[in-house]
Amino acid sequence: GQQLNQSPQSMFIQEGEDVSMNCTSSSIFNTWLWYKQEPGEGPVLLIALYKAGELTSNGRLTAQFGITRKDSFLNISASIPSDVGIYFCAGQNDGDKLIFGTGTRLQVFP
Amino acid sequence: GAVVSQHPSRVICKSGTSVKIECRSLDFQATTMFWYRQFPKQSLMLMATSNEGSKATYEQGVEKDKFLINHASLTLSTLTVTSAHPEDSSFYICSAGRWIEAFFGQGTRLTVV
Repeated sequence: GQQLNQSPQSMFIQEGEDVSMNCTSSSIFNTWLWYKQEPGEGPVLLIALYKAGELTSNGRLTAQFGITRKDSFLNISASIPSDVGIYFCAGQNDGDKLIFGTGTRLQVFP
Repeated sequence: GAVVSQHPSRVICKSGTSVKIECRSLDFQATTMFWYRQFPKQSLMLMATSNEGSKATYEQGVEKDKFLINHASLTLSTLTVTSAHPEDSSFYICSAGRWIEAFFGQGTRLTVV
């Protein structure tokens, strides 16, 4: 099935550092979503983006919907150990199915 | 917030047997639920869309006779893995709600031995 490309694939950072990850697609999406998944759990929605160019924050998280509608990035500032997990982007078009990214695995060391 | 509950969270079954996984929306009605499969260190892949009162819509490459989906009520969808084989071992996750407001279950770890 179709997947979105996320980079980096994994990140190992020290507590307090900022994190940036992005997601790209060959096709346009009208909505971009970012999820976090912890081991043995389902994904939890972090941020939803509905408009090209939109920049949205949720606490230490900031995400942007690319102008071309083919990409999005997620930033996490001042990382903490509980940020550990796998971050997935997902694209969606007007009631169509969610297409998930390949995931970015984040490890934070104290 | 809305809660989606999956049961069981883990199941081990013998090859050739069938396993049923339940997905319930606890505090809202869901006319549509979605079933995903996730292999280790991989992303979520949509298997099928479960529609209350009608047949499920399966993604390309997913065998509808092997993965039986029933959505008999507005709060419950079930996925039955029939004649399970070791290659069916995976993490199965459901979601419910509108696409943008999709809430995911906790997932079910299926191991076929």
